[in-house]
Amino acid sequence: GAVVSQHPSRVICKSGTSVKIECRSLDFQATTMFWYRQFPKQSLMLMATSNEGSKATYEQGVEKDKFLINHASLTLSTLTVTSAHPEDSSFYICSAGDRGRKAFFGQGTRLTVV
Amino acid sequence: SQKIEQNSEALNIQEGKTATLTCNYTNYSPAYLQWYRQDPGRGPVFLLLIRENEKEKRKERLKVTFDTTLKQSLFHITASQPADSATYLCALGTGTASKLTFGTGTRLQVTL
Repeated sequence: GAVVSQHPSRVICKSGTSVKIECRSLDFQATTMFWYRQFPKQSLMLMATSNEGSKATYEQGVEKDKFLINHASLTLSTLTVTSAHPEDSSFYICSAGDRGRKAFFGQGTRLTVV
Repeated sequence: SQKIEQNSEALNIQEGKTATLTCNYTNYSPAYLQWYRQDPGRGPVFLLLIRENEKEKRKERLKVTFDTTLKQSLFHITASQPADSATYLCALGTGTASKLTFGTGTRLQVTL
């Protein structure tokens, strides 16, 4: 199946700083990618839809100024958590589809804000 | 509001038995339903997709059924093995762009 690579897998940052997470589709082009957040023992919650060459679409309740998404090419989307706080600590996962309905997920990024 | 429930938070079964996981949804008309496996600290891995006009899908030891009248999907793992231990997520989608809404997940533990 298709491969989606997410980096970094783990990051610890100080409160108030910003963190960038990259999501790459390695062997296919993805016009649309998705960003999810998962808290311990909970399911994945969609945060936003990342559209190549245009603005991201955010789900209700997700602050677009806090979670900046950039999808500058057909193989790369980035999520920047700005002015991170401890409550932003979570597992962030991206996904991309290869023109079909299957989603291929990255390995996830464990963000810890101290 | 839309709701997707996987009835068991955890399921323990003995090796060799068939594991059956359920996924129920309300206030939703999905075009397709998918099942994923997620191991701790990892992203979900795609297992099976079934469309609204399909009743059953199989892949090796896996079988999925989809009943749009009952608004329910059943996921079966036959001849279960300890390596099948993981969290299994059902996900519903309506479009073609892989945008999914996930269920709560069922943690399966297969013991010897």
